[in-house]
This record gives sequence, structure tokens and C-alpha cells, in this order.
Amino acid sequence: SQTIHQWPATLVQPVGSPLSLECTVEGTSNPNLYWYRQAAGRGLQLLFYSVGIGQISSEVPQNLSASRPQDRQFILSSKKLLLSDSGFYLCAWRRGSLANEQYFGPGTRLTVT
Amino acid sequence: QQQVKQSPQSLIVQKGGISIINCAYENTAFDYFPWYQQFPGKGPALLIAIRPDVSEKKEGRFTISFNKSAKQFSLHIMDSQPGDSATYFCAAVSGGSYIPTFGRGTSLIVHP
Repeated sequence: SQTIHQWPATLVQPVGSPLSLECTVEGTSNPNLYWYRQAAGRGLQLLFYSVGIGQISSEVPQNLSASRPQDRQFILSSKKLLLSDSGFYLCAWRRGSLANEQYFGPGTRLTVT
Repeated sequence: QQQVKQSPQSLIVQKGGISIINCAYENTAFDYFPWYQQFPGKGPALLIAIRPDVSEKKEGRFTISFNKSAKQFSLHIMDSQPGDSATYFCAAVSGGSYIPTFGRGTSLIVHP
């Protein structure tokens, strides 16, 4: 069976500090991978998606970046965090563009102080 | 990216009642309509989904009703329980698209 992991689960970082959030998927190969951000009480904002190693598409211009160094690893980064970067970050995967189901990870709660 | 409009934003139901959440879409290329359930502090979990070739799908207390001509679909939670209290998201997917389109979510509270 497939599982998706995210870490850390929670993170408190000062403004201006760097960020690295990691997501890994087990039990599948060549998944489509996604990063979403969810502000408190709000919907899902798609940040990045990737259809393969090294292939990243950005949906929202911001000070965040994403990388996919391995097939089942997706990393969200920032060089300098802003207060507005606080939120709940969710990684998700799909088997491919012809697959319908999308599965979410447990999320990372980021608080920028 | 086409929008999926979800309503209501919040819903309060008594235990044993029926919870109904509605979604509407414009893009006729959508061919898969899932619903997700999200508990506080957790990631959304796929709850139930439907394709437009059927008008209704039922799994336990959860039912999706689909109206292709009206481009609307809804989630019905029968015999709502306090444990159903969560945020529910509808979504729409078109074959070959990399990006699902999500509604804004509905916060459901079921009072005991």
C-alpha cells in the first residue's frame, strides 16, 4: 500500500530564517506530487506540483520554492520566511495525470514569528 | 483554472439530522468529482467520489448526488454524528489534467 510522510509535523521559525519541508511517498513510482498551503479556516491553495524528477511547476509567485531531487521526494523551501508564510502545508500525490484519486499527507504546521 | 463553488461555508446540524453540502462547476471537461473530509490538524482524506455517468453514489451514511445538466453535485450525510464534525471539500478533476480544482470548504459541526 502507498503511504505519504511529511516532516516536521510542526515548526516555529523566526521571520527571515530559511525553511525546508520534506515529503516522501512510499509504495508507488513516478507519482505526481503537490504542495498546498492552507491558512487557518481557509481552503487549499496549490503552490507547486511536479510530474517527474526535476520538473516543478509553480502556481503562485512567492518567496517559496520546490524541488524534487528523487522520484518520491518533494521538498518545499524558502531562503527567508515572511510572517505571511505561516500556515498548514500539505503534500499530496496522485498516481499520474490519468489517475483521479489524490491523497494528502498529514501536513506540517508552520508558524513564523 | 475553472472554479468550483461550494456552499454553505459553514453548517450546524443536530445529531441524527441530514447534512447537505453543495458544489457547482462550469467546466464540462470535469469527469471525476471527489469529496474530502478534513479533521482539525490533519490532512484531507478522500471520502467518496463520483463520475458523471451516474446520478448517485452511496457509501454508508455518505451519498453523492450528481446533476450533470445543472453542473451541480452534493454530499449528503445521513444520520449525522458528532464524529462527522470536520471540514469537507468538494473537488473536480478533468482527465489528463494535473491539477484538481477544489471548493473552498464547508465547516460542519454536528451537535450532540
